[in-house]
Amino acid sequence: GAVVSQHPSRVICKSGTSVKIECRSLDFQATTMFWYRQFPKKSLMLMATSNEGSKATYEQGVEKDKFLINHASLTLSTLTVTSAHPEDSSFYICSARGGSTYEQYFGPGTRLTVT
Amino acid sequence: AQRVTQPEKLLSVFKGAPVELKCNYSYSGSPELFWYVQYSRQRLQLLLRHISRESIKGFTADLNKGETSFHLKKPFAQEEDSAMYYCALVRGGKLIFGQGTELSVKP
Repeated sequence: GAVVSQHPSRVICKSGTSVKIECRSLDFQATTMFWYRQFPKKSLMLMATSNEGSKATYEQGVEKDKFLINHASLTLSTLTVTSAHPEDSSFYICSARGGSTYEQYFGPGTRLTVT
Repeated sequence: AQRVTQPEKLLSVFKGAPVELKCNYSYSGSPELFWYVQYSRQRLQLLLRHISRESIKGFTADLNKGETSFHLKKPFAQEEDSAMYYCALVRGGKLIFGQGTELSVKP
């Protein structure tokens, strides 16, 4: 149980375009989902927290107009990188949490390359 | 500021040797700490949580409030333990991760 999927697993886009990444909890209802960015062999940087049906909370230094997050249902959150720039190239990971536990279940990640 | 520090970027040991991955934290209050592991090309997964005081895959971690540490230990490392290990602290319902330590277990 507690499986989180992400789609796509890899995406290449051109500078200036937008790209959407989906995060789904497959077998549980995720009241909260988190979006992270990970650099090679580095830590996970929390970008934002999204709660179903409400606006996402962004961490300091993360541009909310650039990284649009929507958590429209208890099983789906999306991250849209707008006006993508090569500096946005990274590994984006989502996680989901349900109920009262702090435990988070992680997706497999999405490799974004902006050319 | 509440944060997690993993001082070692890379830890390399031989198979059968003891392993200790260090984690120090700063937190005002009773911390809730986790160890996560990421094997090559796999997703991050929970290894241990301090409140359950369990042993998973031979790993244990004890919370030492005096030293503000939550080091991860295993008496005899195996090659399949090679992975990235992240210590994490709960703060305001969010996980704050350390920088991660790459464990390499050589045959």
